[in-house]
Amino acid sequence: GAVVSQHPSWVICKSGTSVKIECRSLDFQATTMFWYRQFPKQSLMLMATSNEGSKATYEQGVEKDKFLINHASLTLSTLTVTSAHPEDSSFYICSARDPRSAYEQYFGPGTRLTVT
Amino acid sequence: QQQVKQSPQSLIVQKGGISIINCAYENTAFDYFPWYQQFPGKGPALLIAIRPDVSEKKEGRFTISFNKSAKQFSLHIMDSQPGDSATYFCAASIMGSGGGADGLTFGKGTHLIIQP
Repeated sequence: GAVVSQHPSWVICKSGTSVKIECRSLDFQATTMFWYRQFPKQSLMLMATSNEGSKATYEQGVEKDKFLINHASLTLSTLTVTSAHPEDSSFYICSARDPRSAYEQYFGPGTRLTVT
Repeated sequence: QQQVKQSPQSLIVQKGGISIINCAYENTAFDYFPWYQQFPGKGPALLIAIRPDVSEKKEGRFTISFNKSAKQFSLHIMDSQPGDSATYFCAASIMGSGGGADGLTFGKGTHLIIQP
């Protein structure tokens, strides 16, 4: 099956610092990955679409200068939360689109970010 | 404006019973409707998905019923087991211009509890 990993699984950082989260597709090449955000007991909200070799596409209301996305290879996308603040504390989840399907997305295990 | 409405918010079913979760969508351009299962602290896992050209799809104990004219779709879990206790999300997406589906729009989720 399609496996997507994320690193780290959880991170605690101080307000004003930056944090990088990695998303890897382990057994397939993903030209497109997605980043979602989930607050406690809430749904997942799409933040941005990450395409290999091109700039990410951000959803309305998501600050592209705050949430930097890089998709430098077919198996790795990174999300950097810059100058993090307590309100950025959330569960960040990536997904990778299965190239064999065009529709199916497989999600990583998520990264819990806590900003103190 | 919420594009995918999910109900109920929570559901308690006796072991062996049928769990039914409903979703309604507004955007008629949606053409892919997956259901995801999520356990606390984990990423969502794809359960089953349907395209609008079929009215029903069954995989094991899970069945999707789809009503295109009513813009509704539902998940049925037959012979519900305590291990099915989780949060379930319906979602929808559109085929993008690049040949693959866009990011998912999720419903708000249903917290399902199966009582032994």
